[in-house]
Amino acid sequence: SQQGEEDPQALSIQEGENATMNCSYKTSINNLQWYRQNSGRGLVHLILIRSNEREKHSGRLRVTLDTSKKSSSLLITASRAADTASYFCATDVQGAQKLVFGQGTRLTINP
Amino acid sequence: EAEVAQSPRYKITEKSQAVAFWCDPISGHATLYWYRQILGQGPELLVQFQDESVVDDSQLPKDRFSAERLKGVDSTLKIQPAELGDSAMYLCASSSPDNEQFFGPGTRLTVL
Repeated sequence: SQQGEEDPQALSIQEGENATMNCSYKTSINNLQWYRQNSGRGLVHLILIRSNEREKHSGRLRVTLDTSKKSSSLLITASRAADTASYFCATDVQGAQKLVFGQGTRLTINP
Repeated sequence: EAEVAQSPRYKITEKSQAVAFWCDPISGHATLYWYRQILGQGPELLVQFQDESVVDDSQLPKDRFSAERLKGVDSTLKIQPAELGDSAMYLCASSSPDNEQFFGPGTRLTVL
């Protein structure tokens, strides 16, 4: 079963605009991770935010975590065509020692 | 840069045949995962190994799927017999101590 629910399921924006994707989950977590997947390829780890952190940055990526609302967001600033991919959140569930992935957001950047 | 290796990249088989996938994790990673990903969905964990031991195989269809990691390094996932519904991407990953997972390129299985 999948814990994370991502919103929106699909997002299409113009190059240069910012893209925001949201993830909600149900149980207590150790950390939350975001991954990118290009079509037909494996997943690439983007960023990890621990349960005691509220915000984290990596290059053009900004991730927030609100454990009281059990939600996270991924912001990609100044989007590029190469950012076109599916983005997944994954929760490291407390006591489970495994990641549970959401259904993903399909992001399309139009040139 | 160290990577997770998987083979084959693509596999086409007929239903009722046996298929096997191989994974070589990043050197030193004790934890190895096999996931199944249906098109348009997120990966779903099939089996998790810690060294050579199975930690979680609760979602593995054990009547037809088997997985092993005999020496605690590389791993094999087998399906016998394959069914039409097994068509999917099979992903292998290994993890660092804080559970950041590194994925291989996957094996795309098509069952005809």
